[in-house]
Amino acid sequence: GENVEQHPSTLSVQEGDSAVIKCTYSDSASNYFPWYKQELGKRPQLIIDIRSNVGEKKDQRIAVTLNKTAKHFSLHITETQPEDSAVYFCAASKGSNYQLIWGAGTKLIIKP
Amino acid sequence: NAGVTQTPKFRVLKTGQSMTLLCAQDMNHEYMYWYRQDPGMGLRLIHYSVGEGTTAKGEVPDGYNVSRLKKQNFLLGLESAAPSQTSVYFCASSYGGASHTDTQYFGPGTRLTVL
Repeated sequence: GENVEQHPSTLSVQEGDSAVIKCTYSDSASNYFPWYKQELGKRPQLIIDIRSNVGEKKDQRIAVTLNKTAKHFSLHITETQPEDSAVYFCAASKGSNYQLIWGAGTKLIIKP
Repeated sequence: NAGVTQTPKFRVLKTGQSMTLLCAQDMNHEYMYWYRQDPGMGLRLIHYSVGEGTTAKGEVPDGYNVSRLKKQNFLLGLESAAPSQTSVYFCASSYGGASHTDTQYFGPGTRLTVL
């Protein structure tokens, strides 16, 4: 079946450095790729998303890139700050069913 | 505008008891979803609805039932709770535009423990 693989499961970076989280998907019909941030004990919240007709999207320190040919997309966070510490989830739309297939999550730790 | 709300926030059940979780949204969204999240794991879809009066099974539907009698509400029922259903349950909703997948907005979650 369709799946989304997310790596790494844990990422520890020094404050101020960049962080990159990568996801690969299997469903060639996927056309929507959101990234969610979940702080401890909180709900997942959308931080950025990208559609299949776009290769890159930026929002201040956050960017997402998409390679449809290789079926992978990545989240880039620059100039990391303590408040970036959280679990990040990628997802891919499941064909035309309006469902999302979720990655297993990446725990991002920002070291002071 | 409260967004997506869930009731209750916490609940402890004994094995075999039943309960209903309520999700409400005030954004006039067509699509609603129920997920479960176990410690250190991602989100798994239990059931979803693409409109009032419709429901469909997700990835892990066994042991759960749902109803969408009103557009703004999506109920998740556990008829006979089991310890394996101990989890955090999230409801989500999305606009449901016909042309593309939309952002899912999540409720605050319900922490359920089954003893």
